[in-house]
Amino acid sequence: SQTIHQWPATLVQPVGSPLSLECTVEGTSNPNLYWYRQAAGRGLQLLFYSVGIGQISSEVPQNLSASRPQDRQFILSSKKLLLSDSGFYLCAWRTPGTAYEQYFGPGTRLTVT
Amino acid sequence: GNSVTQMEGPVTLSEEAFLTINCTYTATGYPSLFWYVQYPGEGLQLLLKATKADDKGSNKGFEATYRKETTSFHLEKGSVQVSDSAVYFCALSRDSSASKIIFGSGTRLSIRP
Repeated sequence: SQTIHQWPATLVQPVGSPLSLECTVEGTSNPNLYWYRQAAGRGLQLLFYSVGIGQISSEVPQNLSASRPQDRQFILSSKKLLLSDSGFYLCAWRTPGTAYEQYFGPGTRLTVT
Repeated sequence: GNSVTQMEGPVTLSEEAFLTINCTYTATGYPSLFWYVQYPGEGLQLLLKATKADDKGSNKGFEATYRKETTSFHLEKGSVQVSDSAVYFCALSRDSSASKIIFGSGTRLSIRP
């Protein structure tokens, strides 16, 4: 069966510090991968998605970036965090060619102080 | 463009009450429709789905029917439990290589014992 991991689970970082969040998927090949952000009490905002290694599409211009160095690894980064980057970050995957639902990881709670 | 509108929350009900959370969508063609549930501090879980008109998705006592004529996908449960307290998201996805999901803003449900 497929599983998705995210780490760390929680993170507190000062403004201006770098960020690296990691997501890995097991039990599937060549998944579509997605990064979302959820601000407190709000809905989901799609940040990036990837349909293959090295292929990244950005949905919202901001100081975040994403990379996909391996088939089942998706990384969200920032060189300098802003207060507004605080939120709950969710990674999701989907198997291409199937029905279109996505499956979500447990999330990373990021607080920028 | 594609969009999802769901009823504003929070919704507070007593245990064993009947639940309806309204969801309507705007999309061309025949999108796939989903309900996701998010328990406190966790990622999203797929609750149910429907991929064509008149399909009924069901899971854990929840049901939703894909109504093309009214562009709706309302979530219902006959008798809610305290454990159903969560945020519920209605969503749609269109056929594309990336199959991005469009989420509604979420409805917070609280069940009183």
